Amino acid sequence: NAGVMQNPRHLVRRRGQEARLRCSPMKGHSHVYWYRQLPEEGLKFMVYLQKENIIDESGMPKERFSAEFPKEGPSILRIQQVVRGDSAAYFCASSPHAGETQYFGPGTRLLVL
Amino acid sequence: GQQLNQSPQSMFIQEGEDVSMNCTSSSIFNTWLWYKQDPGEGPVLLIALYKAGELTSNGRLTAQFGITRKDSFLNISASIPSDVGIYFCAGHLNTGNQFYFGTGTSLTVIP
Repeated sequence: NAGVMQNPRHLVRRRGQEARLRCSPMKGHSHVYWYRQLPEEGLKFMVYLQKENIIDESGMPKERFSAEFPKEGPSILRIQQVVRGDSAAYFCASSPHAGETQYFGPGTRLLVL
Repeated sequence: GQQLNQSPQSMFIQEGEDVSMNCTSSSIFNTWLWYKQDPGEGPVLLIALYKAGELTSNGRLTAQFGITRKDSFLNISASIPSDVGIYFCAGHLNTGNQFYFGTGTSLTVIP
């Protein structure tokens, strides 16, 4: 039973470009959560999605950031017109039901030059 | 958002020593989770707690869900070098969708 998969593991972008981060939840999990982690800091919640629906996006910046979890395929976190401050590790977690234990992927480390 | 205070922030211990860390909140949680994160990796679940007073072990690790439901403790017995990493607590309220994460305890084990 494969765990949560994220790709790419590392992503380098120049300022102004777009970053697309992908997350495939564990088999049987329909709830996906995205977190951001800055160096030496804890995990900050960004967005919670269930298949085809955004349930809670209270932690996601209103501009440039968007997330989706289509009926088929992985969840995507999209950052448009990246700035240096977007450099961070982005983690995805999944759970079988809302409020249940979350299992994390290995993360995508985004570096904006 | 909810504040989870995790302490200590960092620990430097000798191999073989026991370790204790805790997490406190101003709110009542119905679930507590403890994770370990190695450098460059994602957090790995260690222990999940679902009931006040619950005491759960996973090998040398033991965690407790505080009676007040506002705190949780993680103990590691007889530490070994591979215990090095950052330990995070996470709590879930009765309402809402989020797990709230503590700021982490960085553990260094000196051989």
